[in-house]
Amino acid sequence: EPEVTQTPSHQVTQMGQEVILRCVPISNHLYFYWYRQILGQKVEFLVSFYNNEISEKSEIFDDQFSVERPDGSNFTLKIRSTKLEDSAMYFCASRGQGEDGYTFGSGTRLTVV
Amino acid sequence: GESVGLHLPTLSVQEGDNSIINCAYSNSASDYFIWYKQESGKGPQFIIDIRSNMDKRQGQRVTVLLNKTVKHLSLQIAATQPGDSAVYFCAEIPPTSGTYKYIFGTGTRLKVLA
Repeated sequence: EPEVTQTPSHQVTQMGQEVILRCVPISNHLYFYWYRQILGQKVEFLVSFYNNEISEKSEIFDDQFSVERPDGSNFTLKIRSTKLEDSAMYFCASRGQGEDGYTFGSGTRLTVV
Repeated sequence: GESVGLHLPTLSVQEGDNSIINCAYSNSASDYFIWYKQESGKGPQFIIDIRSNMDKRQGQRVTVLLNKTVKHLSLQIAATQPGDSAVYFCAEIPPTSGTYKYIFGTGTRLKVLA
């Protein structure tokens, strides 16, 4: 069964550093998403991406965040200057044309120290 | 504002019993709902979905019930097994989202007792 792959599985970074979280969506999917889950809390929407541009973003997704699909297969989330409160699980998801359900990756646990 | 909430944070059931996980949603115009299962260290895994024009939908050992009158969603798991132990999230797609953004509830942890 096709999978969404995320790397790394765990990233530790110092406050103020830049991090890039990587995702390989399912190959024929067209819609891409990033969600995050702070420990013990619910999964929150960050951003959706379609046709090489952001289609919707939440208020969490401020100027410190950016997304990119650099080569037609990878989908990345960059946090420019990490803060302690950015520590969370970050999930990538993709969705195919005409489908309602997403396929989620296993997530990247980001720890900012 | 929009919110999707869960009645119980933790549910413990005996192996072989049926489980019922509940969810309340606030946007009466939402037309699509999903249940996801999240095992420790993994991403959410799709279980079953339902559209607002349906009251009930059945899958393999799972049934989702939608009561639009009281804006309530439930997930029933028949003959609960140890492998069902996980956190279960409901989610809705609000009608204003053109991008299929999900709004997730807080989650219910299901513990299956041997």
